[in-house]
Amino acid sequence: DADVTQTPRNRITKTGKRIMLECSQTKGHDRMYWYRQDPGLGLRLIYYSFDVKDINKGEISDGYSVSRQAQAKFSLSLESAIPNQTALYFCATSDLASGSLDEQFFGPGTRLTVL
Amino acid sequence: RKEVEQDPGPFNVPEGATVAFNCTYSNSASQSFFWYRQDCRKEPKLLMSVYSSGNEDGRFTAQLNRASQYISLLIRDSKLSDSATYLCVVTRNTGNQFYFGTGTSLTVIP
Repeated sequence: DADVTQTPRNRITKTGKRIMLECSQTKGHDRMYWYRQDPGLGLRLIYYSFDVKDINKGEISDGYSVSRQAQAKFSLSLESAIPNQTALYFCATSDLASGSLDEQFFGPGTRLTVL
Repeated sequence: RKEVEQDPGPFNVPEGATVAFNCTYSNSASQSFFWYRQDCRKEPKLLMSVYSSGNEDGRFTAQLNRASQYISLLIRDSKLSDSATYLCVVTRNTGNQFYFGTGTSLTVIP
């Protein structure tokens, strides 16, 4: 089984709809991240969390919110989706204590299309 | 100015060729450096970390030049399976801020 899972894997929605993307991990890592990837722009950080009580904005947090329900779960919400939020979304985890120099482990991605 | 810049390519090379990618970063406070590999429609996966002294993993060699603020990846004896996008990643404030390059596309041709 995958260590980092994301649901749904694909989603098509309409402008104005509320969407939640979910991420779960079995790696036991404290740190979790949400990124979006767009052609020509690379991966950009939306939000990150170092533990259940810690939430931080990333480079492009406007229009998004997150919830860290448990150490293993980190959800990303689009309160009112707009077409320029069409992208590939990745969840990632890391654990500095592992001594692996901040390696991040990514989920398989969610392809979101906003019409 | 972008935190991390890479030549997007594409690089199309024959099997067995040696190919090199470079990446520059803008902030001298950057602390950790990595190369990730991303296959089409898949998630990025760590290829190798980059150490100040340079490091090698089989056919792959990574080097860091802090003075010039660039990172390089050398792939020797290219295989068809090396075809992918290679992402340069830089961090600051360890574990806090990761900056990804846009990636360099490599296709190895039979």
